[in-house]
Amino acid sequence: AQSVTQPDIHITVSEGASLELRCNYSYGATPYLFWYVQSPGQGLQLLLKYFSGDTLVQGIKGFEAEFKRSQSSFNLRKPSVHWSDAAEYFCAVVGTTGGFKTIFGAGTRLFVKA
Amino acid sequence: NAGVTQTPKFQVLKTGQSMTLQCAQDMNHNSMYWYRQDPGMGLRLIYYSASEGTTDKGEVPNGYNVSRLNKREFSLRLESAAPSQTSVYFCASSTDQNTEAFFGQGTRLTVV
Repeated sequence: AQSVTQPDIHITVSEGASLELRCNYSYGATPYLFWYVQSPGQGLQLLLKYFSGDTLVQGIKGFEAEFKRSQSSFNLRKPSVHWSDAAEYFCAVVGTTGGFKTIFGAGTRLFVKA
Repeated sequence: NAGVTQTPKFQVLKTGQSMTLQCAQDMNHNSMYWYRQDPGMGLRLIYYSASEGTTDKGEVPNGYNVSRLNKREFSLRLESAAPSQTSVYFCASSTDQNTEAFFGQGTRLTVV
């Protein structure tokens, strides 16, 4: 069965600093991979996705993520964090063979300090 | 564009009461989903509907039922609410099961 692990429950970074949020998945093959962001009181919004091809994918709001098959990871990065990036971030996987279902990680809450 | 619309936004129930959460999407998506979100547990899939006329259980289906009324609408019913069902419920839809999901604003449900 597929699963997703986000090891960091919360992270605090200073405004202007770089950010990396970790995501590891478990699946027998390469799944489809997603990062979503949730602002307080809101639903989830897609940041970026990986289906195949180039392992470095660009998303909205200046985010990028790199798929590393050898490490079963799909970490999210941003070179310079803005205060408005404070939110909760979810990594998600969808299996590519039979019974496609999106499974979410537990989320990482990002705090940005001035 | 309305996208995915959920009603109600807030609800308080007494233990044992029943209610139905409504969800509608206007994007002509085939697949629809119901998730619950609890602190520290991310989103857990309750039920999903891969296409009109089909529904399947997700990770945590106990205590819930669903109806895919038509291609637009997918409702979630709690027959006898329990305090453990206090949560935020999200409806989502996608073109197909392996594409990105679009989420509603959520329903905050409290069972007392």
